[in-house]
Amino acid sequence: AQSVTQLGSHVSVSEGALVLLRCNYSSSVPPYLFWYVQYPNQGLQLLLKYTSAATLVKGINGFEAEFKKSETSFHLTKPSAHMSDAAEYFCAVSSNNNDMRFGAGTRLTVKP
Amino acid sequence: GAGVSQSPSNKVTEKGKDVELRCDPISGHTALYWYRQRLGQGLEFLIYFQGNSAPDKSGLPSDRFSAERTGESVSTLTIQRTQQEDSAVYLCASILVSGGSYEQYFGPGTRLTVT
Repeated sequence: AQSVTQLGSHVSVSEGALVLLRCNYSSSVPPYLFWYVQYPNQGLQLLLKYTSAATLVKGINGFEAEFKKSETSFHLTKPSAHMSDAAEYFCAVSSNNNDMRFGAGTRLTVKP
Repeated sequence: GAGVSQSPSNKVTEKGKDVELRCDPISGHTALYWYRQRLGQGLEFLIYFQGNSAPDKSGLPSDRFSAERTGESVSTLTIQRTQQEDSAVYLCASILVSGGSYEQYFGPGTRLTVT
């Protein structure tokens, strides 16, 4: 089965600083990879997904992620953090057998 | 419907009672997942269905938990003899994989509180 490791349960950045949330995956077959965001007291919202097309994927709210097969990584970045980006972020991996697993999540705090 | 629906949205039950949670996936979606999210924690995989079969039940926390899916549609998650540690939001997601397309949608969740 696939698995995902998110490095860092909490990340804190200043407003305007680079956001980098790390995700490494394990999969025996070509993976599909996802980032979800969960704002306080809200449901999961898909930020972006990689499904074997371009390795650099752009998502909503200025976020993007790059699939690096050699590093088995799919880190999420945003050049400049906004206060509204404060949320929980989840990385997920799946494959064409539909077996999908989530990471434990990273809580992003944005300081003024 | 336009999305995944779950019912009830909130459920408060007494310790020891049984509860049944329902998920209505998007029509035509082949795979269905159940996850649990405890307060302030990440998503915990419980079980997934491919069609009406459950290839992986390894995430079910105990034998008090069971799930079924019928007609490649509605799924129910049943928790027997509920305990306080069962309190969480239970999320359902349905997935369609077709060619190079991968569609995945989460329901709003059922918030279970065991008193």
